[in-house]
Amino acid sequence: DIQLTQSPSFLSASVGDRVTITCRASQDISRYLAWYQQKPGQAPKLLIYAASTLESGVPSRFSGSGSGTEFTLTVSSLQPEDFATYYCQQFDNYPPATFGPGTTVDCK
Amino acid sequence: QVKLVQSGAEVKKPGSSVTVSCKSSGGAFSGYSISWVRQAPAQGLEWMGRITPELDRVFYAQKFQGRLTITVDKNTYTANMQLTRLRSDDTAIYYCVRDGGGLFGLWGPGTLVTVSS
Repeated sequence: DIQLTQSPSFLSASVGDRVTITCRASQDISRYLAWYQQKPGQAPKLLIYAASTLESGVPSRFSGSGSGTEFTLTVSSLQPEDFATYYCQQFDNYPPATFGPGTTVDCK
Repeated sequence: QVKLVQSGAEVKKPGSSVTVSCKSSGGAFSGYSISWVRQAPAQGLEWMGRITPELDRVFYAQKFQGRLTITVDKNTYTANMQLTRLRSDDTAIYYCVRDGGGLFGLWGPGTLVTVSS
């Protein structure tokens, strides 16, 4: 199965900061990558799919890029509601699907 | 608006089985598959398997082969996930998810399953 790693695992940031999270795949997955946001006590929420396409209703401060084995999620100006855990997920040759281990963004 | 409604929390003994249900409040699954994803306490997300109702096709992650059964009742728009031979490390929140070709765009609220003697 395809493995995903994320860096950093934890990130402390302030409101207004630009935040970047990296996801790396163990093999080429083209652009079959999605990003999810999960807040404590809630189910995950789809933010971005196909590496860079914003899900409907997701604020434009979120963006994604990359292809092949390296991808990034960027929040251009962090808002209070953005403190959460972010997961990448690959769906190349799906099934199966795999998730990255997650990156927690907390308040500095 | 379509919602996925899951059954309530369960407490189970090691070695027993659990079944979690997931009903599509908006009716038919409309061409989507239903996947199950679990999350152990303070851990990440783990995809378990999926069913494609219109094709009656099921796929399980290798880790769960032999212990996991996913079914669907197309008359009641309900998917069910049964996990057998439960162990303490099966303690987790189990989510049903509307699956569009591997994209998980709609999640149920989750069902906590606790395995404890």
